[in-house]
Amino acid sequence: DIQMTQSPSSLSASIGDRVTITCQASQDISNSLNWYQQKPGKAPKLLIYVASNLETGVPSRFSGSGSGTDFTFTISSLQPEDIATYYCQQYDDFPLTFGGGTKVEIK
Amino acid sequence: QITLKESGPTLVKPTQTLTLTCTFSGFSLITSGVGVGWIRQPPGKALEWLALIYWDDDKRYSPSLKSRLTVTKDTSKSQVVLTLTNMDPVDTATYYCARHILNGGYDAFDYWGQGTLVTVSS
Repeated sequence: DIQMTQSPSSLSASIGDRVTITCQASQDISNSLNWYQQKPGKAPKLLIYVASNLETGVPSRFSGSGSGTDFTFTISSLQPEDIATYYCQQYDDFPLTFGGGTKVEIK
Repeated sequence: QITLKESGPTLVKPTQTLTLTCTFSGFSLITSGVGVGWIRQPPGKALEWLALIYWDDDKRYSPSLKSRLTVTKDTSKSQVVLTLTNMDPVDTATYYCARHILNGGYDAFDYWGQGTLVTVSS
């Protein structure tokens, strides 16, 4: 199985801050990576696909980059509604695997 | 409008079989590139992919649960059914179904159900 390691597991930032989350794959997955946002008590929501493409309707303050084994997810200016847990997910091979999640809180 | 909704028991006893139904609308599971997957999330923990069934009836399972999992589809009813045998308290989780799209480089769960919490306890 391809292991996905996210860091940090949690972070606290102020409104307007730039927030960066990393996701590392245990092997080369090219750009076969998605990012999801999960707000408390809600289902996950797709934000980024193919590592860097913004899903329709997702605010442009969200972005993704990377390829191979190292990926980055960025919120350029943190907003109150961005409080959530963020997950990376690889689809290079089965089984599909998710990272452990990064919980983003407001400082 | 695309919607998915999970239904099934909220409480099962250890060793019993869990049967969950995902009823969807707004898309068809006979369309090329479309699938429905199941993902679960134990309380306070991360997401775990379980199974995926495609428009052509190709099925994929998590290797760690493969011996216990079965996924089927009924396209006439717009439903996908997941069964998980020999339930254990560690299987307590919120179970989600989600639409999966394969389209060129796009390979993602783009619409999710609200999830259903299943507790395993005697």
